[in-house]
Amino acid sequence: QVQLVQSGAEVKKPGSSVKVSCKASGGTFSSYTISWVRQAPGQGLEWMGRIIPILGIANYAQKFQGRVTITADKSTSTAYMELSSLRSEDTAVYYCARDGYCSGGSCYSSYYFDYWGQGTLVTVSS
Amino acid sequence: QSALTQPASVSGSPGQSITISCTGTSSDVGGYNYVSWYQQHPGKAPKLMIYDVSNRPSGVSNRFSGSKSGNTASLTISGLQAEDEADYYCSSYTSSSTLHYVFGTGTKVTVL
Repeated sequence: QVQLVQSGAEVKKPGSSVKVSCKASGGTFSSYTISWVRQAPGQGLEWMGRIIPILGIANYAQKFQGRVTITADKSTSTAYMELSSLRSEDTAVYYCARDGYCSGGSCYSSYYFDYWGQGTLVTVSS
Repeated sequence: QSALTQPASVSGSPGQSITISCTGTSSDVGGYNYVSWYQQHPGKAPKLMIYDVSNRPSGVSNRFSGSKSGNTASLTISGLQAEDEADYYCSSYTSSSTLHYVFGTGTKVTVL
């Protein structure tokens, strides 16, 4: 059974950066692909980007291009999402979720999110 | 790229059936059979309920079913139960160059 466990809540100042981690257990980390999704208070879900850990390739929603960096450390089965130049509108719960798999040297999107982390609240406030 | 359109709220009595719609475009919902649905209880992570338009993951009640016609997907909950009260979001793959996935605006389901 795949489990994604995220780092704890953060409080950040406007203009600073935050790095949220997502540690995977169960299954083989290198055989997943991981997306990051955020949810502002009382709002809907918003896809930010994804990474294929085995290839180290990430792609991002245009809205976050230049401000978000998604990385993965295969040795610790951990994915990271770093968001910079934080503003109050970035206050949200950030989730990691599995959205694909790799097999036989190729990686595929499943086009759905079947396992989710518990979420990490990031509060941006002066 | 705008979010997919869902009704803000839907309600029903226990035992009734309700349907939630999710309207997109030919670049997302209408163009691909990659619509999924998520249930989210307050303070919890979303849970996958339907994938690829109409498939249920193992462990999800068969009271939940999905369908699609044109640019609109639908989630039907039959035999409504108290524990079904939650927020529901649809999602679709999109061919937009600015996104990979787009979510719906979300629907609050209330069991009367």
